[in-house]
Amino acid sequence: GAGVSQSPSNKVTEKGKDVELRCDPISGHTALYWYRQSLGQGLEFLIYFQGNSAPDKSGLPSDRFSAERTGGSVSTLTIQRTQQEDSAVYLCASSPGQTGTSTAYEQYFGPGTRLTVT
Amino acid sequence: SQKIEQNSEALNIQEGKTATLTCNYTNYSPAYLQWYRQDPGRGPVFLLLIRENEKEKRKERLKVTFDTTLKQSLFHITASQPADSATYLCALHTGGFKTIFGAGTRLFVKA
Repeated sequence: GAGVSQSPSNKVTEKGKDVELRCDPISGHTALYWYRQSLGQGLEFLIYFQGNSAPDKSGLPSDRFSAERTGGSVSTLTIQRTQQEDSAVYLCASSPGQTGTSTAYEQYFGPGTRLTVT
Repeated sequence: SQKIEQNSEALNIQEGKTATLTCNYTNYSPAYLQWYRQDPGRGPVFLLLIRENEKEKRKERLKVTFDTTLKQSLFHITASQPADSATYLCALHTGGFKTIFGAGTRLFVKA
């Protein structure tokens, strides 16, 4: 079946512009995650959505970052007034999300969106 | 403060040997710990998940141990192959579905 897809694969933007990154999770997965990975670094947790619960936004680095998940499926990560330090690969993942089983937490990642802010 | 530590130096081993990677954490009490593989330019790929009440988990040539007293997980690849060369990430569940990743350890397997 189809995996997690992300678009665009690459985005170059000027400092101060807004950008939107899209994630299509695996069909039926109720949990969706966003991470950021800077060059040579580990993954930095940004936000997760699980079912109809309020998202955990505790990893968003500033109020310039926001995310939505519409209809329990597609998610959009928006960065307003981009800064050069926002340059990174943004990774989306989804997991089955049914609580009570450990497979709920097994995350499947998309290929990422490489964001470059000039 | 809360920390996850993985060997920052790359691990170089000979083909056929067992690779052992370490993940240490402080000030967390994770219910689950996971290991992922990441190749350059790609997203991580899930390998194994172990629960806090499990001591060991195996999958083919992979073995994970989880010691909640030592706050440590060991990840073993037996009979390693050059195709196992990649970065390996450990990840902790810190509550709900929130997951915190270590920085990863780069493994090189020489033929």
